[in-house]
Amino acid sequence: DQQVKQNSPSLSVQEGRISILNCDYTNSMFDYFLWYKKYPAEGPTFLISISSIKDKNEDGRFTVFLNKSAKHLSLHIVPSQPGDSAVYFCAASAGSAGANNLFFGTGTRLTVIP
Amino acid sequence: NAGVMQNPRHLVRRRGQEARLRCSPMKGHSHVYWYRQLPEEGLKFMVYLQKENIIDESGMPKERFSAEFPKEGPSILRIQQVVRGDSAAYFCASSPRTGGSYEQYFGPGTRLTVT
Repeated sequence: DQQVKQNSPSLSVQEGRISILNCDYTNSMFDYFLWYKKYPAEGPTFLISISSIKDKNEDGRFTVFLNKSAKHLSLHIVPSQPGDSAVYFCAASAGSAGANNLFFGTGTRLTVIP
Repeated sequence: NAGVMQNPRHLVRRRGQEARLRCSPMKGHSHVYWYRQLPEEGLKFMVYLQKENIIDESGMPKERFSAEFPKEGPSILRIQQVVRGDSAAYFCASSPRTGGSYEQYFGPGTRLTVT
């Protein structure tokens, strides 16, 4: 039962343009959302997070948007750089329900073309 | 300021052998999580531990798998009598405290191959 879904397995974007990665979830108890970036043969690296009390969080070139009614979040990267090429995972947790683990999507492979 | 350490990075075991994976959390972190990633899939939660306590093992198979986080030393994930289906990347993460509102920081993973 995949509670966090990333329906696009891959995305290609030109350098300097905007990258938009999407994520949907089914569990209404999720109240904290995170994006991780992963290079081959390495562990996931935390990028940015958002609490369910917000609808936007920005950190430099990265912005996460949360639409609770649609159970949808997205990560915007602008401008995209070749070094951003990696697999991006969306994750969610239900901390207020006492859950401690993260539920991950299956990832989107971003390729930024120079 | 070392991050989460895992060793070994690669581990090859024959069917029926035991695999021991080690994880040292970031300094100041007392919460450890283990995840498993099968090829072409996302990470799946296995177990959450604090020092000397297993808090949540709902994602860990009931047989052959066990985890510990002793008072001294790293957290250990043990897989007994490994089978080919255990081949995966195993990631450890740590956080300073729980509640779900705090980021988990991941180690580089241990890639287990069962031959």
